[in-house]
Amino acid sequence: DAGVIQSPRHEVTEMGQEVTLRCKPISGHDYLFWYRQTMMRGLELLIYFNNNVPIDDSGMPEDRFSAKMPNASFSTLKIQPSEPRDSAVYFCASRKTESNQPQHFGDGTRLSIL
Amino acid sequence: GEDVEQSLFLSVREGDSSVINCTYTDSSSTYLYWYKQEPGAGLQLLTYIFSNMDMKQDQRLTVLLNKKDKHLSLRIADTQTGDSAIYFCAETRSMNNNDMRFGAGTRLTVKP
Repeated sequence: DAGVIQSPRHEVTEMGQEVTLRCKPISGHDYLFWYRQTMMRGLELLIYFNNNVPIDDSGMPEDRFSAKMPNASFSTLKIQPSEPRDSAVYFCASRKTESNQPQHFGDGTRLSIL
Repeated sequence: GEDVEQSLFLSVREGDSSVINCTYTDSSSTYLYWYKQEPGAGLQLLTYIFSNMDMKQDQRLTVLLNKKDKHLSLRIADTQTGDSAIYFCAETRSMNNNDMRFGAGTRLTVKP
């Protein structure tokens, strides 16, 4: 079975540019999560969706960050404008609705803002 | 984060057992997880335990949970070089597993 698929795997761009990260969850999973991983702060939950609806976006750091889930098989995390402190690895995860189902992670997007 | 703590480094010899420890603060934790992260990859779920269990074994992996002390451990028997990775402990406080809190990760180095 295909796991959570993220693209691109690596992104290097200059500050001020718009960055769009993409995620395809595992088919049949109703929840989708976006995380950010840095050395200083570890793994932080940014936002999660249930059935394509954003449920909790309290972890989104600033208005420069936005996330959408237009359908059950696709989500985007956008940063506009990007800043060097946004450099991190961004992970997408998904899970099924049943209570004991764990989250499954993609391989992440390594983002470097110069 | 601050609610889940792990030591940052562990080094063992190939063939020895590894024990990675984790403490958490909230007694209402429902599920506790161990994830493995290899370089350049995402977090791979290794195993998880429900809070009403004391132990779970899966091949070379043994998870022990001491609810009284809020202590979770992962034992890897016969550690191999391929086990070298960062191991994350995580817990949730709700039945829906959406509010996972991760430790900072323990970097396991296995020496030949």
